[in-house]
Amino acid sequence: QVQLQESGPGLVRPSETLSLTCAISGDSVSSDKSTWNWIRQSPSRGLEWLGRTNYRSKWNRDYAESLKGRITISPDTSKNQMSLQLNSVTPEDTGIYYCAGTGSYYRTWGQGTLVTVSS
Amino acid sequence: DIVMTQSPDSLAVSLGERATINCKSSQSVLWSSNNMNYLAWYQQKPGQPPKLLIYWASTRESGVPDRFSGSGSGTDFTLTISSLQAEDVAVYYCQQYYGTPNTFGQGTKLEIK
Repeated sequence: QVQLQESGPGLVRPSETLSLTCAISGDSVSSDKSTWNWIRQSPSRGLEWLGRTNYRSKWNRDYAESLKGRITISPDTSKNQMSLQLNSVTPEDTGIYYCAGTGSYYRTWGQGTLVTVSS
Repeated sequence: DIVMTQSPDSLAVSLGERATINCKSSQSVLWSSNNMNYLAWYQQKPGQPPKLLIYWASTRESGVPDRFSGSGSGTDFTLTISSLQAEDVAVYYCQQYYGTPNTFGQGTKLEIK
């Protein structure tokens, strides 16, 4: 079955860049039937969809409007993973970051990784 | 953005009794071309990611016990647990995937009375 595993630093300084990776097994990041999402969870914001990528003859990416200009989601076909970069972070970006797939409803989730933004 | 509002925020039900959680969307999530409601329900236990229970408003995910059922259409939806078990203690979320961004309800915490 499909499994997802997030990884990355647990602590990021304010104004710096948050970088996470989601390793995918049991499916392909470039599958034309799957969509791969980043979602975060915090007490103040609840569950918040951040963005997604999929491959439908070409690579597509969608981002939450509130994060446009700060967020980049990139697939890596050589490693079968996707990455999340979030620039200029503030303490408001603290939360548990999940990758989730494989469609518009989220059948598969990673275990999540806690990211704290603090100096 | 489509706003999802759940009620109640918390709920205490006796073992073996019925639990009902409501979810209302700020606009219809029914796609007229296929008559499908773009609404899912998740269960989240402490320290775990959300788990998909229901999609298309009423289709139970494989392996989910049949005491869980989803109903509703348009803007008003319900998750029902017909006979509460101890392992059902969790926070439950609805999610719409009709529009981008996909959005979640604020969650309903279900406890044993």
